[in-house]
Amino acid sequence: SQQGEEDPQALSIQEGENATMNCSYKTSINNLQWYRQNSGRGLVHLILIRSNEREKHSGRLRVTLDTSKKSSSLLITASRAADTASYFCATDPNSNSGYALNFGKGTSLLVTP
Amino acid sequence: DVKVTQSSRYLVKRTGEKVFLECVQDMDHENMFWYRQDPGLGLRLIYFSYDVKMKEKGDIPEGYSVSREKKERFSLILESASTNQTSMYLCASSLSEPFIRLNTEAFFGQGTRLTVV
Repeated sequence: SQQGEEDPQALSIQEGENATMNCSYKTSINNLQWYRQNSGRGLVHLILIRSNEREKHSGRLRVTLDTSKKSSSLLITASRAADTASYFCATDPNSNSGYALNFGKGTSLLVTP
Repeated sequence: DVKVTQSSRYLVKRTGEKVFLECVQDMDHENMFWYRQDPGLGLRLIYFSYDVKMKEKGDIPEGYSVSREKKERFSLILESASTNQTSMYLCASSLSEPFIRLNTEAFFGQGTRLTVV
């Protein structure tokens, strides 16, 4: 079931600015992942942060995780027009039932030149 | 390069038709998934499979069935297509790590946009 909830639903910024997206979830997790989707395409995995980690970096991406607040944020620094896409958080629930990730509804990011 | 391939990018079918969506992965993953994506609703899980011939219902299994006869192939079947099944369908696969669950990233196909008329 869906448990990730991204905020904001839509974000519009100019090239060079930073973009921050937030994700809240409801139950305990093994890990939290962020994905990117270009219009009309499949999702591409960006970064995974484990439940015992607080921060992780990958290139211009920075992810934080606060398990006490059940929230995560994705920061894209120095954004480019090519970063325009939808971004989804997905949680790997800490349960014995199945292995399916739970996705949020996504944040639509528009980066204008 | 790891790959999940869906058989069609676009499909148009008539109401009442039986529709097969095929998905193949070349990563020897145990888990495979079918999601549908609709505007404002995000990704919703239809079915998933954690092994050959095994299947589990997701959040919205009604009107769908699945088949996994081989490890690399996971098929989604719309028994009798209806207009409310018009959607983007996404297949994904992942490793099975039932105890550790540290590297469970999903690899997605390019999506099939199905229109039922």
